[in-house]
Amino acid sequence: NAGVTQTPKFRVLKTGQSMTLLCAQDMNHEYMYWYRQDPGMGLRLIHYSVGEGTTAKGEVPDGYNVSRLKKQNFLLGLESAAPSQTSVYFCASSPETQSLHFGNGTRLTVT
Amino acid sequence: EDQVTQSPEALRLQEGESSSLNCSYTVSGLRGLFWYRQDPGKGPEFLFTLYSAGEEKEKERLKATLTKKESFLHITAPKPEDSATYLCAVSSGSARQLTFGSGTQLTVLP
Repeated sequence: NAGVTQTPKFRVLKTGQSMTLLCAQDMNHEYMYWYRQDPGMGLRLIHYSVGEGTTAKGEVPDGYNVSRLKKQNFLLGLESAAPSQTSVYFCASSPETQSLHFGNGTRLTVT
Repeated sequence: EDQVTQSPEALRLQEGESSSLNCSYTVSGLRGLFWYRQDPGKGPEFLFTLYSAGEEKEKERLKATLTKKESFLHITAPKPEDSATYLCAVSSGSARQLTFGSGTQLTVLP
């Protein structure tokens, strides 16, 4: 049972490049989330989904887009990366708004 | 807007030296308060959920308590393997997401 799997684990982008982060969960959870974690800032919610085909904005959505075409997958896209998006990105899933199960993160550096 | 403040930012203990971590919160209608443990290079791992003032939960050397304004994570006789960052989070009202504090980095020295 893999839980929540994030790919890639590390990525370096140049300013203006685009990329997609993939999150997959095998627990049949309805809710999925994307957070970013920065030193001293804690985890901040970017976007979330309450079910297949749905998405909603979190606290810091600007510069990011998401899609949830399949229940088990939640994609996070950066259309034009900026240095301010250098961060560690965590995906999480839950059967409800409790007990989030996190992946091990993607460390993104934008130069 | 929900707010969560954790203190101290960092704590160094000797093995066996008990202490407490603090999580103070401001929410409109608490639905739940959550504690997570995060090891370096890993995602947060769920520890406890507390729902109402007066509630307590325990797991091995950890005990979480909740009042109307704050939660404490008590660590009794800690061991080096308890070293990690401990995160507190709240959910409130109809919110479907958690608001996290910035964490307390705990180091337990042998």
